[in-house]
Amino acid sequence: RKEVEQDPGPFNVPEGATVAFNCTYSNSASQSFFWYRQDCRKEPKLLMSVYSSGNEDGRFTAQLNRASQYISLLIRDSKLSDSATYLCVVTIWGTYKYIFGTGTRLKVLA
Amino acid sequence: DTGVSQDPRHKITKRGQNVTFRCDPISEHNRLYWYRQTLGQGPEFLTYFQNEAQLEKSRLLSDRFSAERPKGSFSTLEIQRTEQGDSAMYLCASSSGTSGETGELFFGEGSRLTVL
Repeated sequence: RKEVEQDPGPFNVPEGATVAFNCTYSNSASQSFFWYRQDCRKEPKLLMSVYSSGNEDGRFTAQLNRASQYISLLIRDSKLSDSATYLCVVTIWGTYKYIFGTGTRLKVLA
Repeated sequence: DTGVSQDPRHKITKRGQNVTFRCDPISEHNRLYWYRQTLGQGPEFLTYFQNEAQLEKSRLLSDRFSAERPKGSFSTLEIQRTEQGDSAMYLCASSSGTSGETGELFFGEGSRLTVL
């Protein structure tokens, strides 16, 4: 079983739609959580950290459920420019190792 | 440009040859990471350094792979006796942080390896 699992998609949604991605992690000693965005043939870049109480950044909302060991990302009012792969990332307590999920591909259609 | 830089950006080699990649992290970053990424997959952890100390190496990594960060600044990743399965994008990332903190990872543009 992979340490961080995501539905690879692709998710094809129309502009303006709301879309949600989930990610599950297997290590209960996971400490910090992030969503990274990766455009085609580019390097990953931090989208947002995920805090225990949930957090929002503009159209993006991230939530963490430690009991069920999953993280979610909600994108409201999707834009064409949101088309990318969204990577779920987890660090393990006591290390500085970042573990990436497979990524979920999103394509926003005009 | 003060971001993470990697060299070479592309490398084509024949099976059995050795290759070396270099990564220059953001100058004040004390942690440096190597990842490998293949098409349709997320970055796979290879190893990481805190200053010059290599703190962890993936168990999936064969002994043909070795990484160094001799002075706690730039790092090299060497692959000996390359195999076709080594073909991938090799990504370097760096971060800063004090003990117990996990901050943002900043990635370089990667070094793409093709083994013929």
